[in-house]
Amino acid sequence: DQQVKQNSPSLSVQEGRISILNCDYTNSMFDYFLWYKKYPAEGPTFLISISSIKDKNEDGRFTVFLNKSAKHLSLHIVPSQPGDSAVYFCAAKGGATNKLIFGTGTLLAVQP
Amino acid sequence: EPEVTQTPSHQVTQMGQEVILRCVPISNHLYFYWYRQILGQKVEFLVSFYNNEISEKSEIFDDQFSVERPDGSNFTLKIRSTKLEDSAMYFCASNKGLTEQYFGPGTRLTVT
Repeated sequence: DQQVKQNSPSLSVQEGRISILNCDYTNSMFDYFLWYKKYPAEGPTFLISISSIKDKNEDGRFTVFLNKSAKHLSLHIVPSQPGDSAVYFCAAKGGATNKLIFGTGTLLAVQP
Repeated sequence: EPEVTQTPSHQVTQMGQEVILRCVPISNHLYFYWYRQILGQKVEFLVSFYNNEISEKSEIFDDQFSVERPDGSNFTLKIRSTKLEDSAMYFCASNKGLTEQYFGPGTRLTVT
C-alpha cells in the first residue's frame, strides 16, 4: 500500500538554508495532509497541516505547499536549524475516515 | 501543554502471552487511536475509537486485538496471544475530530 510516498530517505542541509521535504500521494480522495516530526524513541509530533481547499499554509518557519493536480506536497523549513534534525513524516486522510496514512519518512540532518 | 501519555515505555513478553498497553489521551479529546511501527517500516493505523466503540479498524487489527476505555481517562490496547511479528512500537493518539492527531511517546513491545 503505497498511497503516500516520500522518495527521499534522507536530506542534508546547512544551518540557515532552506530544507525542502517532498511527498507524493496517489489517492485522489485524500483531502487533508499533515507533516509530523519524529525524534528517536519519541512519538510523532504534529508540525503543520493543509486542507485540500488550500494550496499553501504557513506557520512560522514552516510552510506546506499542496499541488493537487500533481498530487504532491512539500514542506519548506526556513531557516533550517540543527534542532530540526529528525525524521519527517507526511500523512494524509480522506473523506469521513480519521485514519492517517503515513509515508516512509525523510531523515533531515541540519549541519551547523 | 496537554500530552498523550503511554505506559509502559518498554514491554518484553513471551510469545503466546497477553499484553495490555495503556494510554491516557488528552482530556478533552473525543477520538482515540492506536498505530504501530515495525522497525524500519511505516507507521500503520490499527484502530480508531469514538463514543465507546470502534469506529474503524485495519486488517491488521484481527481477533487477537481489542481496545477498551475502562474509565474516563485510560484507553487500552490488548493483544491476547502475542506473536513474534507483533514486536513493534505502538503509538496511541487522540484528537477532537477531523483534525490533527496528537501522539504519545510510544510503547516498545518486544515478543521473544
